[in-house]
Amino acid sequence: GAVVSQHPSRVICKSGTSVKIECRSLDFQATTMFWYRQFPKKSLMLMATSNEGSKATYEQGVEKDKFLINHASLTLSTLTVTSAHPEDSSFYICSARAGQGQFFGPGTRLTVL
Amino acid sequence: GESVGLHLPTLSVQEGDNSIINCAYSNSASDYFIWYKQESGKGPQFIIDIRSNMDKRQGQRVTVLLNKTVKHLSLQIAATQPGDSAVYFCAEFNPGGGADGLTFGKGTHLIIQP
Repeated sequence: GAVVSQHPSRVICKSGTSVKIECRSLDFQATTMFWYRQFPKKSLMLMATSNEGSKATYEQGVEKDKFLINHASLTLSTLTVTSAHPEDSSFYICSARAGQGQFFGPGTRLTVL
Repeated sequence: GESVGLHLPTLSVQEGDNSIINCAYSNSASDYFIWYKQESGKGPQFIIDIRSNMDKRQGQRVTVLLNKTVKHLSLQIAATQPGDSAVYFCAEFNPGGGADGLTFGKGTHLIIQP
């Protein structure tokens, strides 16, 4: 299957700082990528759709100024958590579609102190 | 056995036995279904998929069964191994069902006992 990578895999930051998470499609191009958030023992919650060359579309209840998304190339989307607070601590996962299949990155564990 | 509580449903099986994980989906218009395996601290990993024009598909040690009449999907894992321990999610794909088209089930935690 298609390979999606994320970086970093784990990040710890102080409250008030911003954190950038990268999502890359390694062996295919993705005009659309998706960002999810996952709480412990829960399923994935879609946050936003990242569109190459245009603005991201956010799900209801997700603050676009809080979670900045940039999709500058066909293989890279970034999610920046701005002014992070402890309640932003979570597991963030991206995915990209290849054909009808959807492939997920390994996730990024964010801990805000 | 299988239990449902405040946390993820859990299925506990003996190593070497077969596992069957069940999923009920909601939208009769969904035309594509995927099973994902998620190990602790990792992203979901594609296991197997099935289109709505099929009722069974086999992979390596895994089989997915689709019953459209009752909107039920199952994942069978043969000769369960310790490495099969994970949370398993089913997902239904419907182009009209949200931005990503996917609706995830709540997941089942598969525990392998030695």
